[in-house]
Amino acid sequence: GNSVTQMEGPVTLSEEAFLTINCTYTATGYPSLFWYVQYPGEGLQLLLKATKADDKGSNKGFEATYRKETTSFHLEKGSVQVSDSAVYFCALIPNTGRRALTFGSGTRLQVQP
Amino acid sequence: DAGITQSPRHKVTETGTPVTLRCHQTENHRYMYWYRQDPGHGLRLIHYSYGVKDTDKGEVSDGYSVSRSKTEDFLLTLESATSSQTSVYFCAISESGGPQETQYFGPGTRLLVL
Repeated sequence: GNSVTQMEGPVTLSEEAFLTINCTYTATGYPSLFWYVQYPGEGLQLLLKATKADDKGSNKGFEATYRKETTSFHLEKGSVQVSDSAVYFCALIPNTGRRALTFGSGTRLQVQP
Repeated sequence: DAGITQSPRHKVTETGTPVTLRCHQTENHRYMYWYRQDPGHGLRLIHYSYGVKDTDKGEVSDGYSVSRSKTEDFLLTLESATSSQTSVYFCAISESGGPQETQYFGPGTRLLVL
């Protein structure tokens, strides 16, 4: 079946530090890959996505590249802010079968001033 | 923001009682989904709908049923609530269910089963 594995949290960083959150996946074929963000007390918002190998998704200074050879979609940001504190979810949708999201367990990011 | 509302936003109920959660959208999207969020599990699919009266099970569907009589409404029913169904429930929508499409999420319903 399909699965997504994310690094355990929480991740605690100082403001302006570099962020990497690792994500690897298992799926047949060529899934679409997503990063969602959940701010405290809110629902999930799409942060970025990539739909084919070597695509780079980017938004609000965050980036992730779809690496088919390593089945990875790591999230990066060059300089985090306190306002980036949230829970980040990596997810996939397969290109065959049920078209629903399969999520990783989430990684909580805490950015300290 | 996508026009998705969920009701109620918070609910406390007792074991054995039926509970219905509602998801309402104003986007006229064809696909609607119910997920539950639990610590350490991310979000998991309960049921989804691909049209009026067309529904299918997800990975954690036991103890839940759904109905969709109108495009805009998708109801989730816990027929006899158990403590293991204490969770945060999210509704999501997508336009036509394609693998490259974004799913948009509602604000969630926090359910506590005593």
